[in-house]
Amino acid sequence: SQQGEEDPQALSIQEGENATMNCSYKTSINNLQWYRQNSGRGLVHLILIRSNEREKHSGRLRVTLDTSKKSSSLLITASRAADTASYFCATDARGGGSQGNLIFGKGTKLSVKP
Amino acid sequence: DTAVSQTPKYLVTQMGNDKSIKCEQNLGHDTMYWYKQDSKKFLKIMFSYNNKELIINETVPNRFSPKSPDKAHLNLHINSLELGDSAVYFCASSLRGFSYNEQFFGPGTRLTVL
Repeated sequence: SQQGEEDPQALSIQEGENATMNCSYKTSINNLQWYRQNSGRGLVHLILIRSNEREKHSGRLRVTLDTSKKSSSLLITASRAADTASYFCATDARGGGSQGNLIFGKGTKLSVKP
Repeated sequence: DTAVSQTPKYLVTQMGNDKSIKCEQNLGHDTMYWYKQDSKKFLKIMFSYNNKELIINETVPNRFSPKSPDKAHLNLHINSLELGDSAVYFCASSLRGFSYNEQFFGPGTRLTVL
């Protein structure tokens, strides 16, 4: 069953602006990961945040995790046209039947206009 | 050097046919995966496999079968193809099959069943 759900489904901004995408999930997790998918390409791992972490940074990326609300956000600062892509959160349910496999949300399609 | 490669990139075939998609990784990972991405970009795990265990998503029809000749390869065989099998199929790999590790994705194979 689907675990993560991104919000918004689509986001259009101007170059230089910040982009914030949210992810909500349903069950307890070990970690949450964010991936990017450029059109017609495979997914690329961006960042992983463990369940005992609240915030993590990587370059222009900032990820937060609120396990009490079962939600995460991905912030891309000073966006560039090259950031145009779909962004997915992925979770692994702690216990249950997922066997540690990642369960992906439906993604947020980000469009950054030059 | 491509970390995870898939062939073919595009596959167009008739209903009822049997086809295979090949996947190879040169990362030395011991766990490989197959995902299906539908037309709405929803990415769903089909199989995960390491040299000890095959974990099958119970919603995957038994017409789909993974075959691993060695640790670096995980091929996907599909029998009696149906229209609903049309999708993009992604292979991925990770170290130790543990969700704490990022997954590396191949470029995808777009399957069209006519």
